[in-house]
Amino acid sequence: DVKVTQSSRYLVKRTGEKVFLECVQDMDHENMFWYRQDPGLGLRLIYFSYDVKMKEKGDIPEGYSVSREKKERFSLILESASTNQTSMYLCASSWTSGGTGELFFGEGSRLTVL
Amino acid sequence: DQQVKQNSPSLSVQEGRISILNCDYTNSMFDYFLWYKKYPAEGPTFLISISSIKDKNEDGRFTVFLNKSAKHLSLHIVPSQPGDSAVYFCAARSVTGNQFYFGTGTSLTVIP
Repeated sequence: DVKVTQSSRYLVKRTGEKVFLECVQDMDHENMFWYRQDPGLGLRLIYFSYDVKMKEKGDIPEGYSVSREKKERFSLILESASTNQTSMYLCASSWTSGGTGELFFGEGSRLTVL
Repeated sequence: DQQVKQNSPSLSVQEGRISILNCDYTNSMFDYFLWYKKYPAEGPTFLISISSIKDKNEDGRFTVFLNKSAKHLSLHIVPSQPGDSAVYFCAARSVTGNQFYFGTGTSLTVIP
């Protein structure tokens, strides 16, 4: 079974703190993604990576950065957390071709910024 | 610009009846269309997908229909069960294989 593991299910941080969200996948997927999900807005792409050390901005990259030093690991960094970054963060991974086209998700990290 | 749209934010259905969730897309450069189910505080769970070269795919109670001329897909759940109550997202994968576009979701409530 494909497994996408996010480091923390729930986090509470203060405004201005630096926040790291880590994600590991075990299926040798080329692509990894970070989304945030907010009610009524669906899933919005923050960043994605199609290879080690490669990254592409998604729809809402402002206030975020990412790191992919190893193929299996993709980290999301909030340099200075703000209250409007309170959200559910979802990591996902996929192959570029083949299979059923599926994007595999982790269980999510619920971040609250006070 | 939203490339994948779910125009119904919510849907209520009686247990045992059919649930039909709809999705429209604007771009033809997609190779797969997918449906996900999401419970609160959990990650989305993959339900079913369909290749752009097909018009129907079935898996148990779930069937996805793709109408390429109308750029429309739908998910049918028969029979609906209370455990199906969740938010359903449709998604499309670009032909490059490394981008996915999601709708805003439809909240399904199955009434016992």
